[in-house]
Amino acid sequence: KNEVEQSPQNLTAQEGEFITINCSYSVGISALHWLQQHPGGGIVSLFMLSSGKKKHGRLIATINIQEKHSSLHITASHPRDSAVYICAVRPNTGNQFYFGTGTSLTVIP
Amino acid sequence: EPEVTQTPSHQVTQMGQEVILRCVPISNHLYFYWYRQILGQKVEFLVSFYNNEISEKSEIFDDQFSVERPDGSNFTLKIRSTKLEDSAMYFCASSEERRGPNYGYTFGSGTRLTVV
Repeated sequence: KNEVEQSPQNLTAQEGEFITINCSYSVGISALHWLQQHPGGGIVSLFMLSSGKKKHGRLIATINIQEKHSSLHITASHPRDSAVYICAVRPNTGNQFYFGTGTSLTVIP
Repeated sequence: EPEVTQTPSHQVTQMGQEVILRCVPISNHLYFYWYRQILGQKVEFLVSFYNNEISEKSEIFDDQFSVERPDGSNFTLKIRSTKLEDSAMYFCASSEERRGPNYGYTFGSGTRLTVV
């Protein structure tokens, strides 16, 4: 069974804080996707990872394949970062993604 | 940057009616997908489509659902007789290759379907 667990479920931070969101999964994967979902419901892809680390602006994503764990970091957080952050994994077999329940982030000015 | 476009953004339909949700994938992509998200729940896979046929589908994707690529650019999801529990956000996605490293898996912004 493909389980994708995210922590924390909810996170409130002060503007400027460094934020970490964690994702753990239970099976071998070929790719992991970090996505952002705003209140309107639309999904925006942030990163696709299969190993190592990726950085885009203030966002950094890391993955440890052996430990089946990924983290999404936001440096110098800003109220516009407030959204739900979702981790999704694609197992080694099949071509669908399995999604976590998301982490709801609120950044307070 | 290329986008996956979904229309309409919001659709309201009466229970029992047929609905068609439309998607325009990225032009050089070959694999197409539908996902759904019931309010308050996680996103779930429905179906994947390649070379004019379904390559994979979930238990959710029963006989009430069908997919089609009618004209080489659009990718549609049809629900034959909508039920209240079909109310959800439906996401289309497309990718270049199934398993390659640069397969550019891209999601559309979604269609919110409300069945009344």
